[in-house]
Amino acid sequence: DTEVTQTPKHLVMGMTNKKSLKCEQHMGHRAMYWYKQKAKKPPELMFVYSYEKLSINESVPSRFSPECPNSSLLNLHLHALQPEDSALYLCASSLAGTSGGVNTGELFFGEGSRLTVL
Amino acid sequence: AQSVAQPEDQVNVAEGNPLTVKCTYSVSGNPYLFWYVQYPNRGLQFLLKYITGDNLVKGSYGFEAEFNKSQTSFHLKKPSALVSDSALYFCAALSPRGWGKLQFGAGTQVVVTP
Repeated sequence: DTEVTQTPKHLVMGMTNKKSLKCEQHMGHRAMYWYKQKAKKPPELMFVYSYEKLSINESVPSRFSPECPNSSLLNLHLHALQPEDSALYLCASSLAGTSGGVNTGELFFGEGSRLTVL
Repeated sequence: AQSVAQPEDQVNVAEGNPLTVKCTYSVSGNPYLFWYVQYPNRGLQFLLKYITGDNLVKGSYGFEAEFNKSQTSFHLKKPSALVSDSALYFCAALSPRGWGKLQFGAGTQVVVTP
């Protein structure tokens, strides 16, 4: 299984709502990522989890809250979002670097969750 | 500052003709280099990567890329383009010191006409 599965595919929410995006992979990858992508632009890194621990937070506003319940699952909790947060949210996974090492493997991306904030 | 440049916003090519998508990088050390493709309303798909070794890397769907250290380039090529190759292509680099943080280029839209 070489898939990263994201749900929901589409999400419309108001600025006062609380919702979550979910991501799942069964490739045994121990690094998982959240990216935000605007139309025709490159993905922007938000968070990286390595071995279920948050290793990178790219100064993302606290209205985005990541969670990694186990090695296969990654969630992104959304609360009090702004219309400018509307975007495609991509989850990805990869092999994790060994201690002190660097992961040289490619990222496997999910199909994304298209978020619209009204 | 580290960066990846894709100098062309769009590349137009007729089906059956060679396709080249350009990428240059400015990343410290010996970066790892990647190409990804994105079809409309889809996630990114990995095409190929260069870590070390042979400068010509072969990847998925008939694509290949040539690493040139002196020119700090990693151009993507396909000998004969298909209409189905029309998509958005991203070059990306990973610094050995930047674990987990891929540096993406701005992307190049490829349009293959029948």
